[in-house]
Amino acid sequence: DIVMTQTPVSLSVTPGQPASISCKSTQSLLHSDGKTHLSWYLQRPGQPPQLLIYEVSNRFSGVPDSFSGSGSGTDFTLKISRVEAGDVGVYYCMQTVQVPLTLGQGTRLEIK
Amino acid sequence: EVQVVESGGGLVQPGRSLRLSCTTSGFTFGGYAMSWFRQAPGKGLEWVGFIRSKTYGETTEYAASVKGRFTISRDDSQTIAYLQMNSLKTEDTAVYYCARYDTYWFDPWGQGTLVTVSS
Repeated sequence: DIVMTQTPVSLSVTPGQPASISCKSTQSLLHSDGKTHLSWYLQRPGQPPQLLIYEVSNRFSGVPDSFSGSGSGTDFTLKISRVEAGDVGVYYCMQTVQVPLTLGQGTRLEIK
Repeated sequence: EVQVVESGGGLVQPGRSLRLSCTTSGFTFGGYAMSWFRQAPGKGLEWVGFIRSKTYGETTEYAASVKGRFTISRDDSQTIAYLQMNSLKTEDTAVYYCARYDTYWFDPWGQGTLVTVSS
């Protein structure tokens, strides 16, 4: 199984400041189709998860451009250029290159 | 509007069965795989399994923790996906989410339904 490891486990950010979350996988997430199947989700308090980023760096419809994803192979990063109050919640990375699908343990973002 | 809504959760005794439903609307259900996830109280998300579309034989994949006990099925005429859970254990207690599997990502997700396994 591919293990997904996120760091940090939690972070506290002042509004307007940037934030960065790392996600590392134990195997390459590059698929034979030439795409890398790594996506990011945000679960706001009391809400279901919502898709932010797919295929490493593609922002989903309606996601602010303050969110960006990057990386390749086994090393990925989600960045928020300017954190807002509405960004509070738990962020998860997920790999869908191989069954069983696996997620990181989550990174909790709070506002200072 | 694309929507998925879970139902069927509740309190069940260990060893018993429960069937969850994922009712969908707003998209061509038959063209998509559908997946289930769960989240134990205070824990992270866990993938449970998914069912491919008819085009791909409606084949299924499961997490090791539920394989042999849980079965995912679908009714394209009713645009509903199901999660049949047998031989339930206390560690199956969780909020269960249904999500549309779009290419290689998941959107949308339902609000979830709580399953509590306890005597």
